Amino acid sequence: EIVLTQSPATLSLSPGERATLSCRASQSVRNYLAWYQQRPGQAPRLLFYDTSNRATGIPARFSASGSGTDFTLTISSLEPEDFAVYYCQQRKRFGGGTKVEIK
Amino acid sequence: EVQLVESGGGLVQPGGSLRLSCAASGFTFNRYWMSWVRQAPGKGLEWVANIEDDGRDKDHLDSVKGRFTISRDNAKNSLYLQMNSLRAEDTAVYYCARVKTFDVVDYWGQGILVTVSS
Repeated sequence: EIVLTQSPATLSLSPGERATLSCRASQSVRNYLAWYQQRPGQAPRLLFYDTSNRATGIPARFSASGSGTDFTLTISSLEPEDFAVYYCQQRKRFGGGTKVEIK
Repeated sequence: EVQLVESGGGLVQPGGSLRLSCAASGFTFNRYWMSWVRQAPGKGLEWVANIEDDGRDKDHLDSVKGRFTISRDNAKNSLYLQMNSLRAEDTAVYYCARVKTFDVVDYWGQGILVTVSS
């Protein structure tokens, strides 16, 4: 069974800073990895699928990369609305999430 | 505009049953796999079940197999989750979800709370 480990659990940053989130799989998932953003009190929102394919309406400050077992979500310059929890997903499995909070 | 609207949640005693419904609109429902994903209070996301576009193929999380059943009615553009023998650990917000590809969800409902407690 594939396990997805996200790090760090919490990332404390200021608006305008760069955020780098990691998702590591216990075995290769090829490129079948997706990322979601969940703001408080809201449903998740798809950011990327198949590692780096940006979903509709996702701003260019978000980027995603990786392959095999190591994947990264990057937010180049944090906007106030980006402070949220981010989840990676491989098929029926989700990572534990990374909370990006205001420092 | 794609819309997914869940209903049927609420408070139920351990061992009880609930049937969640999801009304879909704004897209051709019978062309998409659909899923249910849940989120326990303060916890992360957990995939619960999915169902093929024509309803023939379906899969469930191991911990709910034999207790939960996903189904759909394409004539009514509706998705369902029949939940029996409910346990305290099933307490969560349940999201109806449209599958884009390989279990990736591109649209989510607003979620509905199921609370299992005596």
